[in-house]
Amino acid sequence: DQQVKQNSPSLSVQEGRISILNCDYTNSMFDYFLWYKKYPAEGPTFLISISSIKDKNEDGRFTVFLNKSAKHLSLHIVPSQPGDSAVYFCAASERETSGSRLTFGEGTQLTVNP
Amino acid sequence: ETGVTQTPRHLVMGMTNKKSLKCEQHLGHNAMYWYKQSAKKPLELMFVYSLEERVENNSVPSRFSPECPNSSHLFLHLHTLQPEDSALYLCASSQDGLGFDEQFFGPGTRLTVL
Repeated sequence: DQQVKQNSPSLSVQEGRISILNCDYTNSMFDYFLWYKKYPAEGPTFLISISSIKDKNEDGRFTVFLNKSAKHLSLHIVPSQPGDSAVYFCAASERETSGSRLTFGEGTQLTVNP
Repeated sequence: ETGVTQTPRHLVMGMTNKKSLKCEQHLGHNAMYWYKQSAKKPLELMFVYSLEERVENNSVPSRFSPECPNSSHLFLHLHTLQPEDSALYLCASSQDGLGFDEQFFGPGTRLTVL
């Protein structure tokens, strides 16, 4: 039973446009959500996070939105740059009960075309 | 060396071999993790160590044996593996194991079991 799902295995956008990556979860006990970015031959790197007490967190070109009622979060990248091309993983945890245990989605390959 | 390093980067082994994966973190963190990423699947948490004590074992088969001799080093000892164990094995570390800070990943070891 996969508790975190990224239904789009790939996404292609034009440079300068907005990239929207989506993630759905089923466990209502998740209280912390993260996005990681992974380039080939490298480990995932932390990008941005959001606590369940918020519905939006912004860091430069990256914004994460959380809709708890829909159990859905999304990552917006604007404007998209070719260097953003990577695999993006959504992850979630129950910090209050399970501490650092992260549950990951399958990842979405983002390609930003010049 | 900075961040989280893993050796070897690639490993090919037979089902009767014994090998070890090594992870080292240079961040002064107190928690370390082993993850497995199989093709087309999400990252799966295998083991969590906090202050050199194992705090979580996600029902991993005994043919995988972790060792954490100190807070900077983590090993994964492998013996009598199966072809389905072929995957990318990622090590990560965080300041603590409580889930209130992000995890930093190494580049991974690509394991192939023949």
